[in-house]
Amino acid sequence: GENVEQHPSTLSVQEGDSAVIKCTYSDSASNYFPWYKQELGKRPQLIIDIRSNVGEKKDQRIAVTLNKTAKHFSLHITETQPEDSAVYFCAATDSWGKLQFGAGTQVVVTP
Amino acid sequence: DTGVSQDPRHKITKRGQNVTFRCDPISEHNRLYWYRQTLGQGPEFLTYFQNEAQLEKSRLLSDRFSAERPKGSFSTLEIQRTEQGDSAMYLCASSLGDSSYGYTFGSGTRLTVV
Repeated sequence: GENVEQHPSTLSVQEGDSAVIKCTYSDSASNYFPWYKQELGKRPQLIIDIRSNVGEKKDQRIAVTLNKTAKHFSLHITETQPEDSAVYFCAATDSWGKLQFGAGTQVVVTP
Repeated sequence: DTGVSQDPRHKITKRGQNVTFRCDPISEHNRLYWYRQTLGQGPEFLTYFQNEAQLEKSRLLSDRFSAERPKGSFSTLEIQRTEQGDSAMYLCASSLGDSSYGYTFGSGTRLTVV
């Protein structure tokens, strides 16, 4: 089955700096890679996603890159703000089309 | 339709009791998923339905767990003879079609077994 590894587990950045979170996956059939943001006590919220036929996607300060050959994808947050502090999860579809999640990255943005 | 709804939001139960959670997906979504999330971890897949058919169950889903989606709309997840290790957030999500595009989570049911 699909196995998604996520690094780092915690990330502290100064406000205004960039944050990068990396994930790897094992199932070559994976074709959809979303990223979720989860604030304490709340549900995971989709922030950006990418499909396997695209190498990069950007939405304002957030971007995701995908390297299918190497089976890894990354989330980039530029010009970080205190409200970006949260836990971020990467995910990848398995061969059944359901999502498997990484263990999460706690991002702390300090003013 | 305001999204995926879960009920109750919180449940405290004594060890050995049975509990049942409900999930109402987005109305046009034919796929419904159950996940479990413990503190500091990502959501772990439990089971999912396409319409009323239960297509897969994780090995995490012991015999004490059962899920139903009788009419292809709402779903229930029952845990029998609860154990302290069952304490977690139980998340429901739904999506349209046979892909994960538009996967939307509910707010979850937090279970505490005392």
